[in-house]
Amino acid sequence: DAGVTQSPTHLIKTRGQHVTLRCSPISGHKSVSWYQQVLGQGPQFIFQYYEKEERGRGNFPDRFSARQFPNYSSELNVNALLLGDSALYLCASSLGQPRAHSPLHFGNGTRLTVT
Amino acid sequence: EDQVTQSPEALRLQEGESSSLNCSYTVSGLRGLFWYRQDPGKGPEFLFTLYSAGEEKEKERLKATLTKKESFLHITAPKPEDSATYLCAVQALETDKLIFGTGTRLQVFP
Repeated sequence: DAGVTQSPTHLIKTRGQHVTLRCSPISGHKSVSWYQQVLGQGPQFIFQYYEKEERGRGNFPDRFSARQFPNYSSELNVNALLLGDSALYLCASSLGQPRAHSPLHFGNGTRLTVT
Repeated sequence: EDQVTQSPEALRLQEGESSSLNCSYTVSGLRGLFWYRQDPGKGPEFLFTLYSAGEEKEKERLKATLTKKESFLHITAPKPEDSATYLCAVQALETDKLIFGTGTRLQVFP
């Protein structure tokens, strides 16, 4: 069975540019979440989407935005990139509705480097 | 504020030398505590969910336990392939987001 897939795997961008990261959840999973993991730290919550609606947002600036499509795949967009945005961006999907007992399953992430 | 603290930051074990990893947490109503394993360059791999104090779960050489303030991940007779970073996360009742600790980096030497 295919797990959570993310693309691209690696990306190098320049300060001020814009980036779009993509995620396909596990088949049957309707909830998608995005996390940012800086080297040496645990993942930090950015967004959660369920049935194409935003259900949660972490403490990130408005330069970060996301959306979920009818097929439950998702995009994370980051505008006006800063050096501090360099990180591993993780997408996770889960089976259940919000507030349900359903673990998150993570993809292998997109490594973003901002120069 | 919901918070997770993991200790130690790093742990070096000889193959077969059992040990425990600690995860202390504060959360406004616990819905679940999660353990993940993360290999370099990979995403976290789900291991266990614990929901209430006193609960225990096992998988091969790993056993996770939960109290009202902390969780332990016990590793029995570890092998070099158990080397990874182990992440603990909590999920509060009123939200779906996971709050992660910074992880314990485990190295097992033959």
